[in-house]
Amino acid sequence: SQTIHQWPATLVQPVGSPLSLECTVEGTSNPNLYWYRQAAGRGLQLLFYSVGIGQISSEVPQNLSASRPQDRQFILSSKKLLLSDSGFYLCAWGRVRDQPQHFGDGTRLSIL
Amino acid sequence: GQQVMQIPQYQHVQEGEDFTTYCNSSTTLSNIQWYKQRPGGHPVFLIQLVKSGEVKKQKRLTFQFGEAKKNSSLHITATQTTDVGTYFCAGSKGGGATNKLIFGTGTLLAVQP
Repeated sequence: SQTIHQWPATLVQPVGSPLSLECTVEGTSNPNLYWYRQAAGRGLQLLFYSVGIGQISSEVPQNLSASRPQDRQFILSSKKLLLSDSGFYLCAWGRVRDQPQHFGDGTRLSIL
Repeated sequence: GQQVMQIPQYQHVQEGEDFTTYCNSSTTLSNIQWYKQRPGGHPVFLIQLVKSGEVKKQKRLTFQFGEAKKNSSLHITATQTTDVGTYFCAGSKGGGATNKLIFGTGTLLAVQP
């Protein structure tokens, strides 16, 4: 069966510090991978998606970036965090052709 | 751009009462998916509807896809405290390899025992 791992679960970072969140998927190959952000009490905002190694599409302009160095690894990064980067970050994987997406447990990021 | 709105944003019910959330898209969708997010948790896939006018049931949950494939609803009969959470619809315009979903704004359901 497929599993998705996301870490860390919680992160507190000062403004201006760098960020690296990692997500890995097991039990499947060539998945579509997604990074979402969810503000408290709000919906899901798609940040990045990837259909293959090294292929990243950005949905919204921001100071975040994503990379996919391996087939089942998806990384969300920032060089300098802003207060507005606080939120609940969710990684998800899915198949093509409108199949359901499966989410990791998420990372709660607080910027001080 | 494409938008998916849900109403209500929040609903509080007594245990045993029914609950319905509605999902409306500004464009025609190829399919609609529903997810549930428990407080503090991550969204979990519930069901997918593909056909115009399709109705699917999961125990006390009934899902419907509109005839025009632009709206959907989720109805819960006789709510229980385990139903607490935020319910999201997610629409796809279909085609391509991306499977990019547009998530609705969500409906937070609170159930009082």
